[in-house]
Amino acid sequence: GIQVEQSPPDLILQEGANSTLRCNFSDSVNNLQWFHQNPWGQLINLFYIPSGTKQNGRLSATTVATERYSLLYISSSQTTDSGVYFCAANSGTYKYIFGTGTRLKVLA
Amino acid sequence: DAGVTQSPTHLIKTRGQQVTLRCSPISGHKSVSWYQQVLGQGPQFIFQYYEKEERGRGNFPDRFSARQFPNYSSELNVNALLLGDSALYLCASSFEQAVYYEQYFGPGTRLTVT
Repeated sequence: GIQVEQSPPDLILQEGANSTLRCNFSDSVNNLQWFHQNPWGQLINLFYIPSGTKQNGRLSATTVATERYSLLYISSSQTTDSGVYFCAANSGTYKYIFGTGTRLKVLA
Repeated sequence: DAGVTQSPTHLIKTRGQQVTLRCSPISGHKSVSWYQQVLGQGPQFIFQYYEKEERGRGNFPDRFSARQFPNYSSELNVNALLLGDSALYLCASSFEQAVYYEQYFGPGTRLTVT
């Protein structure tokens, strides 16, 4: 089955800094999503992006399906951006496979 | 509109007991998936149900079972609980268009097995 890898595993930023999170996947995908998991465990949808580029405020994402990777950009980071960011994808089956996540801490 | 709801929020059980977790999908969504998230890891797929039929199962023992009701709500049952079943259990619902669908997650049920 498809494998999903995320990097970096941990990231510490000063408030106002920009960052790029990466998600590599081992096969072509039908569906790909980025989530932010808050400290209470809630998974918040950031982007549904099996291909192309999307932007939502300070966040944007790009998936290059032919090269099997997706990037999540966070600009002008805020302390509320802290948490774990997950990439999840599926390919030909009905189960989404999650990466191991990137733990982001933004310092004031 | 209400999002995905799950109950209970927290649960403490003893080894060997049985537990039932509940999930109500977003209105209009016919697909429900269950995931287990152990501390420090990403969610792991357990089941997917669509129109009351099991459509996918992850690598979990037969102690785990689920069903979906005519109103598309779902239950996850775990029998003979082990300490290793302690985790956050997440439910997701989706509206499908062919093979393309976006999942929306509920707040989860945190299960502690002692």
